[in-house]
Amino acid sequence: GDSVTQMEGPVTLSEEAFLTINCTYTATGYPSLFWYVQYPGEGLQLLLKATKADDKGSNKGFEATYRKETTSFHLEKGSVQVSDSAVYFCALDSNQAGTALIFGKGTTLSVSS
Amino acid sequence: DARVTQTPRHKVTEMGQEVTMRCQPILGHNTVFWYRQTMMQGLELLAYFRNRAPLDDSGMPKDRFSAEMPDATLATLKIQPSEPRDSAVYFCASGGYEQYFGPGTRLTVT
Repeated sequence: GDSVTQMEGPVTLSEEAFLTINCTYTATGYPSLFWYVQYPGEGLQLLLKATKADDKGSNKGFEATYRKETTSFHLEKGSVQVSDSAVYFCALDSNQAGTALIFGKGTTLSVSS
Repeated sequence: DARVTQTPRHKVTEMGQEVTMRCQPILGHNTVFWYRQTMMQGLELLAYFRNRAPLDDSGMPKDRFSAEMPDATLATLKIQPSEPRDSAVYFCASGGYEQYFGPGTRLTVT
């Protein structure tokens, strides 16, 4: 079945460091891909998305490019801030109808000043 | 600022008791999801509804869990009887192509 694999955390960085969180997927067809972020004590929030190969999603300085050839959707940010500390989830929607998202296990990011 | 709301935010109960969690989806959203989050399993889809009709509840233990949408503004998830292994954070989400999550109900079953 369809699945998402994320790099294990926690990821610990200093402020202004470069961030990469790896995400790869397995899916039949052409899924849409998402990154969600969960701040402590809150629900998940959509961070960015991409719906087809080579699309780049971006938001709040974060970017991810849909790479069909490597089945990847890695999250990057050029300069992290303390306020970026959260859990990041990669997800896919296999039927393109916005239903039944399949999530990775999440990667905890901790940024120190 | 439209949001998904969930009540209660926290629930502590004893094993064997009934637990009911409520969700108010964003007005106009026709799809509602229930997820469970634990450290061991991560995020799991329990069930989802479209236009109030259940589409998939295969992720839900049928013998003790039930999910309903009595009307377009309310979704409920019930556990009867509850067990310690049900301790988790339960999220409701609504939307369609993009899902909007509520703040969750943290359930502890002792």
